[in-house]
Amino acid sequence: GQNIDQPTEMTATEGAIVQINCTYQTSGFNGLFWYQQHAGEAPTFLSYNVLDGLEEKGRFSSFLSRSKGYSYLLLKELQMKDSASYLCAVRDPDGQNFVFGPGTRLSVLP
Amino acid sequence: DSGVTQTPKHLITATGQRVTLRCSPRSGDLSVYWYQQSLDQGLQFLIQYYNGEERAKGNILERFSAQQFPDLHSELNLSSLELGDSALYFCASSGSDEKLFFGSGTQLSVL
Repeated sequence: GQNIDQPTEMTATEGAIVQINCTYQTSGFNGLFWYQQHAGEAPTFLSYNVLDGLEEKGRFSSFLSRSKGYSYLLLKELQMKDSASYLCAVRDPDGQNFVFGPGTRLSVLP
Repeated sequence: DSGVTQTPKHLITATGQRVTLRCSPRSGDLSVYWYQQSLDQGLQFLIQYYNGEERAKGNILERFSAQQFPDLHSELNLSSLELGDSALYFCASSGSDEKLFFGSGTQLSVL
């Protein structure tokens, strides 16, 4: 089976940096994904890690440690529009399925 | 625009009825996934098709069924609808780039 855990809610201030953690326990692993979802809208792809280390893409970075079953999403220079849910997802080893965590609702305050 | 097309965007129906949700994947993607998201809940995987064949099944109720056609579009059929089936239903597709891209979703309201 697969179990993915994320904090339920986080709050941060505009212009600040926030780190959203994700831990997973899976029977196999074939990549970890981060998605952003605004309320009532579709999730949109943010990042993809398959090897250990940090992937940087503009204001967003994602880190993976496969041995620890741990990932984080780092958001810099927070903007009000970053208020959304952030979903961590693991792809199973057969590449057949993406299992999503419960999501972290981030509120960015002025 | 993700390239994944879902119709309809909204659907209002009554308990006991049957509805069909439709999805066209991104051009070239062979895999189609269906997810259900209830209010303030996470994405629950329902079912996956790859090139017309069922590939993986999640917590999909027996009242629900899906298929993928030769042109790769997919349909999710929900029957004997209950109030608790009210949710956002997302279709997503993936291809050789390994990423999952979502359609805009169908908001189903069962009254």
